[in-house]
Amino acid sequence: EVQVLESGGDLVQPGGSLRLSCAVSGFSLTTSYMNWVRQAPGKGLEWVSVIYSGGSTVYADGVKGRFTLSRDIAENTVYLQMNSLRAEDTAVYYCARAPYNDSSAFYQWGQGTRVTVSS
Amino acid sequence: SYELTQPPSVSVSPGQTARITCSGDALPKQYAYWYLQRAGQAPVLLMSRDSQRPAGIPDRFSGSSSGTTVTLTISGVQAEDEGDYYCQSADSSGLHHVFGSGTKVTVL
Repeated sequence: EVQVLESGGDLVQPGGSLRLSCAVSGFSLTTSYMNWVRQAPGKGLEWVSVIYSGGSTVYADGVKGRFTLSRDIAENTVYLQMNSLRAEDTAVYYCARAPYNDSSAFYQWGQGTRVTVSS
Repeated sequence: SYELTQPPSVSVSPGQTARITCSGDALPKQYAYWYLQRAGQAPVLLMSRDSQRPAGIPDRFSGSSSGTTVTLTISGVQAEDEGDYYCQSADSSGLHHVFGSGTKVTVL
């Protein structure tokens, strides 16, 4: 069974850092594109970043230079390192998997982890 | 930055047909995807590559594309179809994913 499970959300002060984890099972990170999508309170979905099956990454303009996406294939885990956090980064962060043969189709989603940036 | 435009809300009576549109300049070149997010839950993929239903999605959901607009049609709407619907696509570079602003479907 394919599973995606996020963790690491917390309350953090503006300018602080946080690392989110996305543990997966039932598939390989080397044949999937792993995305992070966030949803601010009462707002819509916003794509954040993707790590491709080969390991390269792409970021949305609003987080580029502050967020870093990485993975540990042996641990079946993807990490989102978030630095220089701002109030506008407050959101539920979802990890979503797309298969390599349909890289824009987010078939599996986790239940999300909540990040609050506030003093 | 690239944007996808959806109507804020659609209201429909049970058994009727609901149509949700999504407009974007790159849609003639990029596929569109549709998701349903029910209250308090993670999104669920409803439609892939404009008109392909993933396994397990009821056939009352269908998708179509025409120029810069894609449409999700729900035929014979049921109460369980209530929620927020999002279209998703990529910008012209194909590198950045974008979600529409979402359409709240209310079943009367």
